Amino acid sequence: SQQGEEDPQALSIQEGENATMNCSYKTSINNLQWYRQNSGRGLVHLILIRSNEREKHSGRLRVTLDTSKKSSSLLITASRAADTASYFCATEGGANNLFFGTGTRLTVIP
Amino acid sequence: DAGVIQSPRHEVTEMGQEVTLRCKPISGHNSLFWYRQTMMRGLELLIYFNNNVPIDDSGMPEDRFSAKMPNASFSTLKIQPSEPRDSAVYFCASRISTRGLEQPQHFGDGTRLSIL
Repeated sequence: SQQGEEDPQALSIQEGENATMNCSYKTSINNLQWYRQNSGRGLVHLILIRSNEREKHSGRLRVTLDTSKKSSSLLITASRAADTASYFCATEGGANNLFFGTGTRLTVIP
Repeated sequence: DAGVIQSPRHEVTEMGQEVTLRCKPISGHNSLFWYRQTMMRGLELLIYFNNNVPIDDSGMPEDRFSAKMPNASFSTLKIQPSEPRDSAVYFCASRISTRGLEQPQHFGDGTRLSIL
C-alpha cells in the first residue's frame, strides 16, 4: 500500500500564481522527497528533506515538513506553464526504498 | 551523462506471451528499483536490488513476474505468461545507496505495456 496521500488531487492555477500541494504519511520516516512527472515521462527528483529538517528551499520551490503531524507541503512560487505536471511525495523509512503518494496533477494556465 | 535507459518504450503483445523489459541503470549506482504505474493503483514498487542482489520482492504481484540483475549495468523484468491486467507503465530507477547518506532515485522514461 502507498505511504503518502497528496492533496489536492488536481489543481489548476493561472501563470504567476503560487501552487501549494500537501502530503500526509503514516509512519516514521528518514526523509521525504518530492518528484515531478511530465506526461509520458519518468519521475524527476525535485527536493529531499530529512526528518530533522523543517523547511528547505530550491529555486522557486519551498518544502516544509512537520513530523509531528506527519505532513509535508510543496510550494511552487510564480508558477509557469512549464510547471504543468503531476507532483508526487515519497517517503523513505529504514529500508532502502520509497513509498510514493497518489500525486497532485497541476495545471498552470498561460 | 546518460540517465536510466529502458527498453522497449512501448510493447503491445497478446495475452499469454512472454514479455521482457530491460533496464540499464546509471553507471556507478548500486541500487536498482522496478515500479509499476497504473491509474487505479498509482506507483507501486515491485522489487529492488542492492549490489545486484534482490533485497525485497514483496511487491511482485505473482509468480508470473520475475526480475534479474546479472551485473551492475543491466536488469530485466519478465512476465510469463502475460495477462491483460498486467497492462501498465513499468519504470526502472537507480540510485547510489550509502548508509547514512540519502540520495534521490533517478527514473527511466518507462515501458508502456499493453496486453491484448
